[in-house]
Amino acid sequence: GAVVSQHPSRVICKSGTSVKIECRSLDFQATTMFWYRQFPKQSLMLMATSNEGSKATYEQGVEKDKFLINHASLTLSTLTVTSAHPEDSSFYICSARDYGGSGTGELFFGEGSRLTVL
Amino acid sequence: LAKTTQPISMDSYEGQEVNITCSHNNIATNDYITWYQQFPSQGPRFIIQGYKTKVTNEVASLFIPADRKSSTLSLPRVSLSDTAVYYCLVGDPISSGSARQLTFGSGTQLTVLP
Repeated sequence: GAVVSQHPSRVICKSGTSVKIECRSLDFQATTMFWYRQFPKQSLMLMATSNEGSKATYEQGVEKDKFLINHASLTLSTLTVTSAHPEDSSFYICSARDYGGSGTGELFFGEGSRLTVL
Repeated sequence: LAKTTQPISMDSYEGQEVNITCSHNNIATNDYITWYQQFPSQGPRFIIQGYKTKVTNEVASLFIPADRKSSTLSLPRVSLSDTAVYYCLVGDPISSGSARQLTFGSGTQLTVLP
């Protein structure tokens, strides 16, 4: 099946620094990718929709300047948490749809990235 | 957005069949029903997807009644490794960027006991 990979899987940073998380579709092209955030014992919350070659669409309540999303190619989207603070500590997950070949448009998820801000 | 309702938690014993039901009363004509499994600190993993009646694959079956307002994920003979959170999502998999597919409900924590 289709594979979506995230990097890094874990990152620890100091408050005030910026952290970049990469999401790659390894064997298919994705014009659209999605970024989620998940706090402990809670469900996934959609943060934004990343569109290749254009601006991301953010969900209500998600700060655009805080969570910068870039989707420069059909296989890579990046999420940058700018000036991270402890409350940004969370599990960030990306996903993408596979429409090509035998793909049925189902969502495939990355492994997730655990961000801890000290 | 299509809203789904699932039981918060379920317990089962090894070897038993487990059925998890999801309610989705406002499902649209083009919507499919997709179930995902999530282990702690991992991304969700696709289990099964269906539109109506019954779908079966190597790991699960999905039962969808005629009115499609609910669906039941059936896991045959569960093992300890099936302990996870299970989510049902309702949406149009063809519509790129469709927000209807992307809203996760609370999920069901399945705990398989020895």
